[in-house]
Amino acid sequence: GIQVEQSPPDLILQEGANSTLRCNFSDSVNNLQWFHQNPWGQLINLFYIPSGTKQNGRLSATTVATERYSLLYISSSQTTDSGVYFCAVTNRRDDKIIFGKGTRLHILP
Amino acid sequence: DTGVSQDPRHKITKRGQNVTFRCDPISEHNRLYWYRQTLGQGPEFLTYFQNEAQLEKSRLLSDRFSAERPKGSFSTLEIQRTEQGDSAMYLCASSFVAGGHYEQYFGPGTRLTVT
Repeated sequence: GIQVEQSPPDLILQEGANSTLRCNFSDSVNNLQWFHQNPWGQLINLFYIPSGTKQNGRLSATTVATERYSLLYISSSQTTDSGVYFCAVTNRRDDKIIFGKGTRLHILP
Repeated sequence: DTGVSQDPRHKITKRGQNVTFRCDPISEHNRLYWYRQTLGQGPEFLTYFQNEAQLEKSRLLSDRFSAERPKGSFSTLEIQRTEQGDSAMYLCASSFVAGGHYEQYFGPGTRLTVT
């Protein structure tokens, strides 16, 4: 089945710094989402981005489907950005949604 | 806010007992998904429904697990004869599938602890 790899697995930054999180996938996808999981376990939708670029405030994302990767950019990090960021894809062959293992982000005050 | 809701939020049970979880999706959504998440891992797909039809089940869904969505609205996930390895967060998500758009929205999860 499709493999989803996220990097880096852990990231520690000072408040105010910028960061780039990467998601690589091993096969063609028809859907890709980025989520933020808060400390209480709730998965919060950040972007639905099977291709192209989107921006929402300090966050933006780019998916290059032909090269099988997506990037999530966080600018001017705040402590509330801490948590785990997941990339999830849907394979073109079936409707199964596969998650990566996530990037754990720690923003220090 | 009429997002995805799950009940209960926490469940502690003894090994061998049966448990049932409920998920209420966003009202107009036609797809409903169940996932399981263990510590330090991403959510793993268990099964999903298109309206009331169960379309796919993961090999993770042993015969002790059963899911239903009887009227195409809420869904239940039952685990029979629970084992300690069943301890996990069980997440439900829903989506409205149209024209290849599959954006999913997640509920808060049910955290199961089997003692």
